[in-house]
Amino acid sequence: EMQLLESGGGLVQPGGSLRLSCAASGFIFTNYALAWVRQAPGKGLEWVSVITGSGSSTYYADSVKDRFTISRDNSKNTLYLQMNNLRAEDTAVYYCAKDFSGSFDCWGQGTLVTVSS
Amino acid sequence: DIVMTQSPDSLAVSLGERATINCKSSQSVLYSSNNKNYLAWYQQKPGQPPKLLISWASTRESGVPDRFSGSGSGTDFTLTIDSLQAEDVAVYYCQQYYSYINTFGQGTKLEIK
Repeated sequence: EMQLLESGGGLVQPGGSLRLSCAASGFIFTNYALAWVRQAPGKGLEWVSVITGSGSSTYYADSVKDRFTISRDNSKNTLYLQMNNLRAEDTAVYYCAKDFSGSFDCWGQGTLVTVSS
Repeated sequence: DIVMTQSPDSLAVSLGERATINCKSSQSVLYSSNNKNYLAWYQQKPGQPPKLLISWASTRESGVPDRFSGSGSGTDFTLTIDSLQAEDVAVYYCQQYYSYINTFGQGTKLEIK
């Protein structure tokens, strides 16, 4: 059974940093791109970033470009999101998702990031 | 970026009736070389992550009831739920993956009338 488990969320002050992790199991990790999608409280889904299976290519939403960095460790079956210079508007549940030819066929339960002083 | 616009924002349908949700993209998501529409539909219930229902605009995922169907091409798409069940109450999102920069619609909240 495919599974994704996020961790690393929490409360951080504006301007601070946080690193999210997503541990994967139940599928051949290197065969798939992985993405981060976030959802602000009471709001819709916002695509954040994606990384290819090899890790050689990454893409970002304009709202996070130059502040967030997606990466993966294929030896540990783990996806990461390094978030710097956090803003109040980054407050959201962050989901990792397995990219199956573009659509997301497996999602984690999400981890909540709250940016507040 | 490709903008996805769903309509309506909310919808109330009686049990056993049909629900129809529309999604329009600001540019075509039909890739001419393979004639595939890069469009997916998701269902999200309260407190849960989204669940993929349909990919390639009309391909239902394994285990998804056949009362869910997707149609459309180019820039205009529809998710249809026939014979609405109580467990279908959720927010539904469309997503385009034509561009590396994916985008979602704003969501449509489906309730029971």
